[in-house]
Parts: sequence; structure tokens; C-alpha cells
Amino acid sequence: SAVISQKPSRDICQRGTSLTIQCQVDSQVTMMFWYRQQPGQSLTLIATANQGSEATYESGFVIDKFPISRPNLTFSTLTVSNMSPEDSSIYLCSVAPLGRGQDMNTEAFFGQGTRLTVV
Amino acid sequence: QQPVQSPQAVILREGEDAVINCSSSKALYSVHWYRQKHGEAPVFLMILLKGGEQKGHEKISASFNEKKQQSSLYLTASQLSYSGTYFCGTEIGITGGGNKLTFGTGTQLKVEL
Repeated sequence: SAVISQKPSRDICQRGTSLTIQCQVDSQVTMMFWYRQQPGQSLTLIATANQGSEATYESGFVIDKFPISRPNLTFSTLTVSNMSPEDSSIYLCSVAPLGRGQDMNTEAFFGQGTRLTVV
Repeated sequence: QQPVQSPQAVILREGEDAVINCSSSKALYSVHWYRQKHGEAPVFLMILLKGGEQKGHEKISASFNEKKQQSSLYLTASQLSYSGTYFCGTEIGITGGGNKLTFGTGTQLKVEL
């Protein structure tokens, strides 16, 4: 299993500013994922972060807006840059445990999420 | 590309059964099922793999039809604690290696007394 600590749990930010969300895992993991979940909606994958390589972004998400760092096998950050009210959402990090090979074949673990409100 | 779930919402009386369906337009390697309660992170329920293997933590059953690219989650004798939003997740390969999880549209389930 994996226990994830995600910070901050919530924040209210001014438009035009940036917020960095941290995700700390209690064990080494191969892959980390960042999702966005708007109220009443499903989880939308923003990007996949592997240690030692650049993050892979999904369609509609770009590095300039959502830069990601993955300095080691237990930590990642997601920055929401130049925020607007449309960025108000819940952001979740998720991990796939190490040692499972290229395929997940096991449950995904989630942080408790960061509830972001942009005013 | 996002898997489509049906129904979108369902209300049950405690003890009743429900089926939630998940359909993908892409070939499936495996299907995950999660439940999310309001304000909380998604919680793992089950994985169904090609070949029929299943891994789960609760007394919830599911099926996986690889040819039809569909999966169904079966909730029997529902309890109040079953209330929440259910998501299926499908694994898709990532360029350069590894898989990512794409979540379905979601099904809101409410169990009442």
C-alpha cells in the first residue's frame, strides 16, 4: 500500500498568482499522476510524472500552465500558474506502487486532494 | 476516449441491488472500480484483468467482457454505506512505457432507508 500526504488541503488564491501543490508518498513509486476534478465531475488526468524524466501532459494541459517536478521516487509537485477562476477545482495526486512493472495491475492510491478556489 | 458509465444516477432502498455499467471505445487491458464519497478521495473497490483474474477488497462483484470492451459492477443487498459516486477506470498505455488510468463519467448512487 501507499500513504500519500498532499498539501495544502485547500487554498483561496487571487487571480494571476500561482499555487504549488505537494505530494509526498511513504514509499517509492514508479509513476505519479495528477488529476483535476471539477465539482460533480469525474477525474481528469492532467499529466503523468516519472522520476528523472519530463512529465507527460494530456490533451488540453500544457507545461507552462501546470509545471510539474518529480525530483525523486517519493515526491512530486504540481504548480497551477497564472490562475483564473476557471482553475477552481480539486487537484489530486495518485500513485502506482513500485515493482509492479509497466502495468498497474493493482489499485491506485490517492492523496486527499487540494481544494483550490480562485477569486 | 473517456469511458461512459450508465446509469448516471440511481436511488436504492437499503437491501436492493444495482448494476453499474462501464463501456469503452478502446481495447481494455484492465478495468478498475472506485467509490468516492463527497469531499473524500476515491477508494479502490476492484480490479478486473484480462483472463478473468479479479482483485478486490469488498464483497462486491464485477464482470469484464474484453470483446465488448465493457465492465459491470454488481452491488447486492445495498447498505447505506454504499452511497457515493462510482467510477470505472481503464488502463491505457503511455508513450515511453507504463500505463495511465482514465476514469469514466461516474455514477451517483444513493441508498435510502
